[in-house]
Amino acid sequence: DTEVTQTPKHLVMGMTNKKSLKCEQHMGHRAMYWYKQKAKKPPELMFVYSYEKLSINESVPSRFSPECPNSSLLNLHLHALQPEDSALYLCASSQWLAPSYEQYFGPGTRLTVT
Amino acid sequence: AQTVTQSQPEMSVQEAETVTLSCTYDTSESDYYLFWYKQPPSRQMILVIRQEAYKQQNATENRFSVNFQKAAKSFSLKISDSQLGDAAMYFCASAGSQGNLIFGKGTKLSVKP
Repeated sequence: DTEVTQTPKHLVMGMTNKKSLKCEQHMGHRAMYWYKQKAKKPPELMFVYSYEKLSINESVPSRFSPECPNSSLLNLHLHALQPEDSALYLCASSQWLAPSYEQYFGPGTRLTVT
Repeated sequence: AQTVTQSQPEMSVQEAETVTLSCTYDTSESDYYLFWYKQPPSRQMILVIRQEAYKQQNATENRFSVNFQKAAKSFSLKISDSQLGDAAMYFCASAGSQGNLIFGKGTKLSVKP
């Protein structure tokens, strides 16, 4: 199984809502990532978890709150978002947090903030 | 800081022909890894090919091969016998020391039947 799943596929939320994005992998990978991708742009790294601990936070606003409850699951909690946060949010995982390991990407969650 | 540059926003190729996508990079790492990822219109990003910088031999995966010029910091992707399913956005990327990927801006490849 080389699949990373993400739910929901699409999400529309108001600026006062609280919602969560979910990412799951069952490949035994110990590194998991959140990326943000605006239209016609490359993915931009947001957070990296290694062994369920936050390893990298790329100065992301606090209205995005990541959580890694176990080695297979990664959540991104959203609160008080702005319209400019509308984007495709991609989750990825790799065997370990090291440059040599391939990252497997999920299909993404298309987020629209109204 | 690492940077990755793709100078071709869009490319087009005839089906069954060969096309080369360009990528240059800059890094201060002595050992590093370079990748080409493909993102079809359905959005899921998949790895096309990977090159380890300490290996002089160019990586090859079926119809996909790279031309890795370490001194010139160039890492181009060649797609042979192009197929309609090759149409996608192609991202060149380097891996940072912590495993995070640094992407170029991407090249949108169209394949004409």
